[in-house]
Amino acid sequence: GDSVTQTEGQVALSEEDFLTIHCNYSASGYPALFWYVQYPGEGPQFLFRASRDKEKGSSRGFEATYDKGTTSFHLRKASVQESDSAVYYCALGEASSGSWQLIFGSGTQLTVMP
Amino acid sequence: DAGVTQTPRHEVAEKGQTIILKCEPVSGHNDLFWYRQTKIQGLELLSYFRSKSLMEDGGAFKDRFKAEMLNSSFSTLKIQPTEPKDSAVYLCASSLLGNYAEQFFGPGTRLTVL
Repeated sequence: GDSVTQTEGQVALSEEDFLTIHCNYSASGYPALFWYVQYPGEGPQFLFRASRDKEKGSSRGFEATYDKGTTSFHLRKASVQESDSAVYYCALGEASSGSWQLIFGSGTQLTVMP
Repeated sequence: DAGVTQTPRHEVAEKGQTIILKCEPVSGHNDLFWYRQTKIQGLELLSYFRSKSLMEDGGAFKDRFKAEMLNSSFSTLKIQPTEPKDSAVYLCASSLLGNYAEQFFGPGTRLTVL
């Protein structure tokens, strides 16, 4: 079945560091790709999406580019802040037989130190 | 606009009890999702409704988990009977009708089964 792999379980950075969180997917069709962010005590929040090859999604300084060739959608930010500390989830969404659902990766805990 | 509301925020149950979790989606949203979140398994889809019709019933969760959409603005998730392995955060999410739509998550209900 379809799946999403996030290789980093935890990432620790200092403020103003460059962030990369890797996301690779496996899908039988042509999925849409998403990033969500979850702060403590809250549900995940939509960050952005991309639905076709080479499309870039972005929000709040974060960005990722849909790469069908490498089946990747890596999250990047040029300069992280302490307030970016949270869990980040990559997800793929696919429609099948009138149904629609997201499949989430395992999540990456980002900790940014002042 | 109110977001997704979930009650209760915390629930403690004895093994074998029946518990009912409640969710009110964003007004006007047609898709409603129930997820279970644990550190080991991450985010797992339990049930998915589109315009009150059950689209996905979560396969492995069918035997003791039952989600219902009583009307377009209220859903319940019943777990009967509860087991200690059901201890997790249960998240409800809603989205506008249509594929690729972002999902809006509630804050979740933390269930502890003793």
